[in-house]
Amino acid sequence: GAVVSQHPSWVICKSGTSVKIECRSLDFQATTMFWYRQFPKQSLMLMATSNEGSKATYEQGVEKDKFLINHASLTLSTLTVTSAHPEDSSFYICSATYSGNTIYFGEGSWLTVV
Amino acid sequence: KQEVTQIPAALSVPEGENLVLNCSFTDSAIYNLQWFRQDPGKGLTSLLLIQSSQREQTSGRLNASLDKSSGRSTLYIAASQPGDSATYLCAVDSGNNDMRFGAGTRLTVKP
Repeated sequence: GAVVSQHPSWVICKSGTSVKIECRSLDFQATTMFWYRQFPKQSLMLMATSNEGSKATYEQGVEKDKFLINHASLTLSTLTVTSAHPEDSSFYICSATYSGNTIYFGEGSWLTVV
Repeated sequence: KQEVTQIPAALSVPEGENLVLNCSFTDSAIYNLQWFRQDPGKGLTSLLLIQSSQREQTSGRLNASLDKSSGRSTLYIAASQPGDSATYLCAVDSGNNDMRFGAGTRLTVKP
């Protein structure tokens, strides 16, 4: 079946630095990718929707200049957390779909900012 | 805006017991509903996907039902095992891949 891979699974970074998380669709071309964030004991919240070759659409309250999303190809989307702070520590997960079919999720990435 | 609620937030049962997890959603115009499992420190594992035209889906000891008109879904786990301990998430796709998640039910199955 389709597989979506995220890298890294775990990352620790210093406050003020930037960190990039990759989301790849391994055996299908993802026309749309989604990025979610989950804080402890809360549900996953959609951060942004990205379509290949166009700018991402951010959900209300998500800073687009802080969370840079690049969907440069049909198999890769990246989320860069810029100038990370401890409050950005969270579980980030991506999902991908081809033309509105079933959504496949990555394994998620745990970010800790110290 | 679709809102998804899961009850209970946490559940602890002895091994072997049958249990039901509940999910409710506010807008019945959905495309599909999925149940996921999330282990601590891990990603999501899709358990069951129910299309809007379906009433239920079964996989092994898991059975998920969908009642669109009342905005409810249940996940039934038969003969629970300690390995079933995890957080179970319900997610509703309202079309255009707009998925909304519930906060999850944290299940503990005691040996």
